[in-house]
Amino acid sequence: DGGITQSPKYLFRKEGQNVTLSCEQNLNHDAMYWYRQDPGQGLRLIYYSQIVNDFQKGDIAEGYSVSREKKESFPLTVTSAQKNPTAFYLCASDTRDSNQPQHFGDGTRLSIL
Amino acid sequence: GQNIDQPTEMTATEGAIVQINCTYQTSGFNGLFWYQQHAGEAPTFLSYNVLDGLEEKGRFSSFLSRSKGYSYLLLKELQMKDSASYLCAVRHSGGSYIPTFGRGTSLIVHP
Repeated sequence: DGGITQSPKYLFRKEGQNVTLSCEQNLNHDAMYWYRQDPGQGLRLIYYSQIVNDFQKGDIAEGYSVSREKKESFPLTVTSAQKNPTAFYLCASDTRDSNQPQHFGDGTRLSIL
Repeated sequence: GQNIDQPTEMTATEGAIVQINCTYQTSGFNGLFWYQQHAGEAPTFLSYNVLDGLEEKGRFSSFLSRSKGYSYLLLKELQMKDSASYLCAVRHSGGSYIPTFGRGTSLIVHP
């Protein structure tokens, strides 16, 4: 079955450290997204990519970076510049057809040590 | 721009019916989605509306009024497992089609 795989499920970051969250999909979707979710909050868009080798900043891109070297993969790096990284991170993908929903991974919970 | 409003929390009784509202403002509407999200899990797709009216899918139905910028999700015969957060998301027209999410409504179903 096709789907989106995020890893790891839990991640701890030390102060000053960069960490990378993995997101892989085998749905052959063109578009991929990274969202951040804080308690009691909706999903806030960090970055998105509509085609390989191209990506755009979302609403809260500061302190994060991404790459899209392959259609299947869209890793997110949380840099030391992100001073409040503790959150639940969700990766999603879709076909860019307006009537098709996004498919989500199971999320990565990032905490500060 | 886009602005989506949902109630923060609702409670209901097992077996009852509950309606979760979502109002939105957008410069160009291109579809509205409802997702269910259990705590610590991925959102899962429930329904999609792009034309006015009611879409029924089992115990869940979703309604849309584009002129009013309004949608609701109707859950019938509530079960304990329906306790979750319900997210309203609007796709706007334009080049990116990026959906914008509301803050979600936390539904608590009690016996």
